Amino acid sequence: RKEVEQDPGPFNVPEGATVAFNCTYSNSASQSFFWYRQDCRKEPKLLMSVYSSGNEDGRFTAQLNRASQYISLLIRDSKLSDSATYLCVVSLYGNKLVFGAGTILRVKS
Amino acid sequence: ETGVTQSPTHLIKTRGQQVTLRCSSQSGHNTVSWYQQALGQGPQFIFQYYREEENGRGNFPPRFSGLQFPNYSSELNVNALELDDSALYLCASSLGGRAGTGGLYGYTFGSGTRLTVV
Repeated sequence: RKEVEQDPGPFNVPEGATVAFNCTYSNSASQSFFWYRQDCRKEPKLLMSVYSSGNEDGRFTAQLNRASQYISLLIRDSKLSDSATYLCVVSLYGNKLVFGAGTILRVKS
Repeated sequence: ETGVTQSPTHLIKTRGQQVTLRCSSQSGHNTVSWYQQALGQGPQFIFQYYREEENGRGNFPPRFSGLQFPNYSSELNVNALELDDSALYLCASSLGGRAGTGGLYGYTFGSGTRLTVV
């Protein structure tokens, strides 16, 4: 079983749509949680950290359910520029990030 | 404030050769991690350096080795290259320590070195 599992997609959505991504992680001792965004042939960039209380950054909302070991990302009012691969990331001790394989999002006009 | 810079950007090597990749961490960061990202996969942790000492290692063979220098820049060395070593190699820096606090706030990645082994 992979440490972090994501639906690879692709998710093809029209502009303005709301889309949700989920991921599960296997190590219940994981301490830190993130969503990274990666554009084609570029480096991953931190989108947002994820907290148990849930957190929002503009059109993006992240949720963490420690009991279910489940992380989600909701994108509202999708833009063409949101097209990318979204990587779910967990960290156990902080010295190692464990990445999922990523979910591909394609926003179409 | 400069970001994380990696060199070279692209590299082609022959199987069996050795390669050295370089990374300059973001100003103020003391921790550098290296990741390997194969096509269609998420990055895989190779190792991390904190203040010139290895601070964690992933499931990579000993022919993957590294160094961190007093200015916190770092090198990744790979000996006896294999075809499967073809990947994007990413360096990430953070301000953290042995307690791994860097992971709590995320890391800044360089744009990577794309290595092709033929």
